[in-house]
Amino acid sequence: DIQMTQSPSTLSASVGDRVTITCRASQYISDWLAWYQQKPGKAPKLLIYKASSLQSGVPSRFSGSGSGTEFTLTISSLQPDDFATYYCQRYNNYWAFGQGTKVEIK
Amino acid sequence: EVHLLESGGGLAQPGKSLRLSCAASGFTFSSYAMNWVRQAPGKGLEWVSAIGVSDDTFYADSVKGRFTISRDDSKNTLYLQMNSLRAEDTAIYYCAKAVIGAPPYFDYWGQGTLVTVSS
Repeated sequence: DIQMTQSPSTLSASVGDRVTITCRASQYISDWLAWYQQKPGKAPKLLIYKASSLQSGVPSRFSGSGSGTEFTLTISSLQPDDFATYYCQRYNNYWAFGQGTKVEIK
Repeated sequence: EVHLLESGGGLAQPGKSLRLSCAASGFTFSSYAMNWVRQAPGKGLEWVSAIGVSDDTFYADSVKGRFTISRDDSKNTLYLQMNSLRAEDTAIYYCAKAVIGAPPYFDYWGQGTLVTVSS
């Protein structure tokens, strides 16, 4: 199985900060990678698909990059609504998620 | 607007069974593959099972042989029959709609239903 590893597990940041989350695959997955945001008690919400494509309705401060085994999610200017947990997901050969990155208020 | 509403969760004893349902609306249900994803308390997301538009099914190793996914396109409803439940099956269970195309990711999720397995 191809494992997904996110870093960091927790990130403390302030409103207006640029935030970057990394996701690494244990094997090559091309660009079959999605990013989701989850707030406490809520369902996950799709942010990015195919590594860098922004889902409709998602603010442009969110961006994704990478290919192969290393990927990043960047929030260009952190907003109060962005404090949440973020998951990467590979979707080649079934599906698997990273362990999550919690973005908390500094 | 796409809407997914899970139901059927609750408390079950180890070894017993539960059947989850996911009622879908706002899209042509029969045209989309569907999935179940679970989240243990305080933990991350774990894909559980998928069903295609031709009733082809897929399972995570952790539930293979115990869980059965199915769909009723006439009722726009997805199901998950969970047998031989274990304590480690305790989680919120989400249904998720897949996009058309291969390989598919999940574009809409329900709010989830909590399954607790305990004696």
